[in-house]
Order: sequence, then structure tokens, then C-alpha cells
Amino acid sequence: GAGVSQSPSNKVTEKGKDVELRCDPISGHTALYWYRQSLGQGLEFLIYFQGNSAPDKSGLPSDRFSAERTGGSVSTLTIQRTQQEDSAVYLCASSLTDYNQPQHFGDGTRLSIL
Amino acid sequence: QKEVEQNSGPLSVPEGAIASLNCTYSDRGSQSFFWYRQYSGKSPELIMFIYSNGDKEDGRFTAQLNKASQYVSLLIRDSQPSDSATYLCAVNTGFQKLVFGTGTRLLVSP
Repeated sequence: GAGVSQSPSNKVTEKGKDVELRCDPISGHTALYWYRQSLGQGLEFLIYFQGNSAPDKSGLPSDRFSAERTGGSVSTLTIQRTQQEDSAVYLCASSLTDYNQPQHFGDGTRLSIL
Repeated sequence: QKEVEQNSGPLSVPEGAIASLNCTYSDRGSQSFFWYRQYSGKSPELIMFIYSNGDKEDGRFTAQLNKASQYVSLLIRDSQPSDSATYLCAVNTGFQKLVFGTGTRLLVSP
């Protein structure tokens, strides 16, 4: 079946602009996660959604970052007033449930802030 | 102390050898353990997961878990140059989030 789909695959924008990144999880997966990976670095957890529960936002680095998940499926990560330090690959993953299930990653969005 | 620790490497092995990748974790309540492979410029790809003490084999890959020692490893038999990548260990500590190690870079030389 189809995997996790992310768009756009690449985004270049100017400092101060807002950006929206989209993630479409694997059909039937109730848990959805966002991570950030800077060049040569490990994965940094940002936020996670499970079903209709309130999201765990504990990893969001600042209030410029927000995410929503509509209808328990597609998620959008929004970064307002982008800064150069926001440049990274943003990865989305989904899992069947949030309990001891493997996460499957999309191809990521490479974000470059000029 | 980091929650999930891996040697950054690189770990260099000749083609055909066994590559042994190790990971330790700090939370004794951890319940599930995952190995991901990440090629340069690509996203992580799930290779193995293990929940119980002991070994789990899948083709050339074997995951080993020792909860008493808080240690999980990945063995790759008959290593191939195409196995050259960064291997990420991830641990579910019971809070429904995976905690990732920073990865071990594996180089398999022909």
C-alpha cells in the first residue's frame, strides 16, 4: 500500500515568511509524528497526534511552530516568521497505534531558509 | 546521561563480515526497541523491531535484546557495501514516543 506522503519535498523561502508542510499518513494509522533533522544531526521530536486526543506538543521549539491534524488523517506543520535556524529536513511518521508500534517515515521536506 | 546511546562510528567492516551495532538505553521501563537504517539524504527505514529478551532474526539481520543490561544490538551477517548507512536505534519508553539515538555510521568495504 501507499506509504507516508509528504509535500513539498523541497521548500526554499526567505527569512520571516510562513511555511506549511503537509503529511498524509498511511491509511488506517491513528498515530502521527513530526520530527526535525538538521544536517548531520539526530532526529528531534516535535509533536505527536493520536486519534482524537490532544496532541503532545512537548517537542515544539518555539511558539512559531504549530501543527494540526484534520479528520484524524492529514497533518499540517506550520512555521511562522521563519528563521535561518529552522533550516532542516522535516520528517513525518505514522504508526498503527501509539502503543509499541513501529513508526514508518515519509521522505521528508527539506526546508531551506535564505 | 542520554536516554539512548550509540557509538557514532564509523564502524568499518569488510564485505562478507558480520557487523555488530550496539545501543544502550537508560529507562528500565522501556518496552519496545527498533532499528532503522538511514542512507545519506534519505529518511529512516525500519529494519527490525523487538519486544522480548533474546534474539529475533530476519534474513541477514538479527536483533538482540537484554533488558537486564539495558542493551540492544543489531547484527548484520554477510555485510554488503549496500549496507553502508547510518543505523538508528529507537526505544519506546512507554510514553508513546520513540527516543532515537544519534546513530552509528557503518562502512562496508568491497
